[in-house]
Amino acid sequence: AQSVTQLGSHVSVSEGALVLLRCNYSSSVPPYLFWYVQYPNQGLQLLLKYTSAATLVKGINGFEAEFKKSETSFHLTKPSAHMSDAAEYFCAVRGYTGTASKLTFGTGTRLQVTL
Amino acid sequence: DAGITQSPRHKVTETGTPVTLRCHQTENHRYMYWYRQDPGHGLRLIHYSYGVKDTDKGEVSDGYSVSRSKTEDFLLTLESATSSQTSVYFCAISEPRQGANGYTFGSGTRLTVV
Repeated sequence: AQSVTQLGSHVSVSEGALVLLRCNYSSSVPPYLFWYVQYPNQGLQLLLKYTSAATLVKGINGFEAEFKKSETSFHLTKPSAHMSDAAEYFCAVRGYTGTASKLTFGTGTRLQVTL
Repeated sequence: DAGITQSPRHKVTETGTPVTLRCHQTENHRYMYWYRQDPGHGLRLIHYSYGVKDTDKGEVSDGYSVSRSKTEDFLLTLESATSSQTSVYFCAISEPRQGANGYTFGSGTRLTVV
């Protein structure tokens, strides 16, 4: 079975500071991993995905994530935080049910950006 | 989100009443999913569909049923709503390659059971 663990339910950074959101995964097969962002009262938007190609994945809004098999990690980073980055971020791993794929999500990390 | 709409966006209902949430897609995708989102739990899979009339249970399916009579519509029914089903419900679709490109999510339905 696949699972993900997000360390830190709340992260606060200053505007212009590095953003680091942590995600560790567990998977019995080579994983497909995703980061989603959710702005208040909205659905989830795909930020980036890892599908076994390049280990450093670039996404939208300046975010990137690095797949590290030895550490079973897929941490999300952004060099310089902007006020508009304040949102909740979810890490997810793709698994299978037998009849379809499914995404299993972490519990989320709420990012606060302060002046 | 473009291609997937959920209705209603908000609903307040009383304990014990039946409730149906609707997910409609215009992408002709085969796979559709219902998730619920709760603080501290992230998103959890309720039911999913892998084709017309083909559905199966997810990890938190108790108290829920689904139906898919045509490709574009996936209905989630709470047969007798309880307060523990107060949540935000998201529909998602995936294709091609069974989610290798991630899922597309609707804007959600906020359900309150009083």
